[in-house]
Amino acid sequence: EIVLTQSPATLSLSPGERATLSCRASQSVSSYLAWYQQKPGQAPRLLIYDASNRATGIPARFSGSGSGTDFTLTISSLEPEDFAVYYCQQRSNWPLSWTFGQGTKVEIK
Amino acid sequence: QVQLVQSGAEVKKPGSSVKVSCKASGGTFSSYAISWVRQAPGQGLEWMGRIIPILGIANYAQKFQGRVTITADKSTSTAYMELSSLRSEDTAVYYCAFSVCGDCYPGYWGQGTLVTVSS
Repeated sequence: EIVLTQSPATLSLSPGERATLSCRASQSVSSYLAWYQQKPGQAPRLLIYDASNRATGIPARFSGSGSGTDFTLTISSLEPEDFAVYYCQQRSNWPLSWTFGQGTKVEIK
Repeated sequence: QVQLVQSGAEVKKPGSSVKVSCKASGGTFSSYAISWVRQAPGQGLEWMGRIIPILGIANYAQKFQGRVTITADKSTSTAYMELSSLRSEDTAVYYCAFSVCGDCYPGYWGQGTLVTVSS
């Protein structure tokens, strides 16, 4: 099973600052990686798919990069509504399997 | 705009089973997939499996093989997740998630169903 490791566990930043979140896979996942945002009491929200494509309606301040085993989610300038937990997720087709990282919490400094 | 509405919260005894439903509306996709993801209190996300209703084929995470059954009723656009032999560690919020195709990521999520396993 592919393991995804996210770092850091917690990121303490102020509004307007840049956030850089990392996700490392235990083996190559090509570009089959997504990022989700989750706020307390809410379902996850798809932000980025296939490593670098923004989902419908996602602001341009969110961007994703990487391929193979190393991926990054960047929030260029944090808005108050961006403070949340972020998860990366990979999908394997044979056998079909998804795994999630353990999450990175972006909190207000 | 796809909307997913899940069934209500459940309290179950250890050893019993639970069946959660997820009704989709607002979309006209033929080859969509419904996945089930759970989240234990204060923990991360865990994929359980998925089904493509038009094919009727379900795939399961290895961890849940033999204990979870995912089905779908195409006529009502409703998917179901049944988990058996419940234990306290299965206490979690269970989400269904909709992907517009089998190889797509879930862009729509249900509101979640809290399943509490307690004696």
